[in-house]
Amino acid sequence: GAVVSQHPSWVICKSGTSVKIECRSLDFQATTMFWYRQFPKQSLMLMATSNEGSKATYEQGVEKDKFLINHASLTLSTLTVTSAHPEDSSFYICSASSWGNQPQHFGDGTRLSIL
Amino acid sequence: AQTVTQSQPEMSVQEAETVTLSCTYDTSENNYYLFWYKQPPSRQMILVIRQEAYKQQNATENRFSVNFQKAAKSFSLKISDSQLGDTAMYFCAFPVLPYSNYQLIWGAGTKLIIKP
Repeated sequence: GAVVSQHPSWVICKSGTSVKIECRSLDFQATTMFWYRQFPKQSLMLMATSNEGSKATYEQGVEKDKFLINHASLTLSTLTVTSAHPEDSSFYICSASSWGNQPQHFGDGTRLSIL
Repeated sequence: AQTVTQSQPEMSVQEAETVTLSCTYDTSENNYYLFWYKQPPSRQMILVIRQEAYKQQNATENRFSVNFQKAAKSFSLKISDSQLGDTAMYFCAFPVLPYSNYQLIWGAGTKLIIKP
């Protein structure tokens, strides 16, 4: 149980394009989803927290207009990297939680490479 | 402020040996959960074990167990009979309290290498 699916797993695209990453909870309702960015050999850096039906809460330093997050249902959240540039290249990983005391369950991550 | 500290950037042991990864944290709360996650080279984050602070008994999951010392705010992970597949980054995580958006504070991670 508690499976989170994240797609795509790897994206290569040109600078200036927008990229959408999907995060789905397959067998539970995710009241809260989290989006992280991870640089090589570093820990997870929380970008934003999204609750179903409400606007995402972004961490300090994360551009809201750059990283658009939508959490339209209890099983789906999307992260759109708008007008991506090479500095946006990174590993992005989502997680989902059903309620506060439950552990976060993670997707497999998306490796984003902007040329 | 709540913090999580993993003081061992990297460790390596021989296969079948026992290894202990350390984690310390700081909080003024009394009831909370603590987590250990594993991230193998595939980069998938996998929950290894969870400890509830109000339980005195240390959590165990097969070869994985914790040594939870609440007064010392220590939460170490012991891996017994280590296997090659245990090679991974291990992260200690602690929820932001009081529970609001259920965010986790992450340690810097310990890279564990199991040698054949």
